Amino acid sequence: KNEVEQSPQNLTAQEGEFITINCSYSVGISALHWLQQHPGGGIVSLFMLSSGKKKHGRLIATINIQEKHSSLHITASHPRDSAVYICAVPTSGGGADGLTFGKGTHLIIQP
Amino acid sequence: KAGVTQTPRYLIKTRGQQVTLSCSPISGHRSVSWYQQTPGQGLQFLFEYFSETQRNKGNFPGRFSGRQFSNSRSEMNVSTLELGDSALYLCASSLAFRSQETQYFGPGTRLLVL
Repeated sequence: KNEVEQSPQNLTAQEGEFITINCSYSVGISALHWLQQHPGGGIVSLFMLSSGKKKHGRLIATINIQEKHSSLHITASHPRDSAVYICAVPTSGGGADGLTFGKGTHLIIQP
Repeated sequence: KAGVTQTPRYLIKTRGQQVTLSCSPISGHRSVSWYQQTPGQGLQFLFEYFSETQRNKGNFPGRFSGRQFSNSRSEMNVSTLELGDSALYLCASSLAFRSQETQYFGPGTRLLVL
């Protein structure tokens, strides 16, 4: 069964800073998800990636399958980026089952 | 396209009661997954339905059950409610049942058990 660790748990930064959130997992996977959860509970899927790098606006996600590690980067951070960021992987790695989630990174961007 | 909808949004129940939550997926999506989120445990997978069949189940007691209808709408039921069942219950839909598909989350149902 996959185990997921995220770091840091909490992160406070100033507007404009470059942000990095890390996610490590224990079992090889078919794909990894990055999710964003705003206060109030709504969750948005940011990325699903199985190799390399994906970019969407100011967000960049990378994954290293050999190292079992993924990072989420935010460039030119803005207060509206304040949210909880969660990574998730297939529970048994293969994909034909549910997801196991990290505990999340609470990000606050101060103006 | 309309997003994933969940009803009700908020619910208060007492211990021992049962509750049914509803989820309507995005049109065309055939997979619905359910998750429980609590401050202590974070997000946890409950179960996943595809084509009216439960494909996967997380590590939850039998009090938690669900079903999916022919129009892909899904319901989950919790019987004999306990205080620890207080949580945000989220459903997510995707095109296929494998968990490497992008999932689209609903707004959640916040359940409080007194």
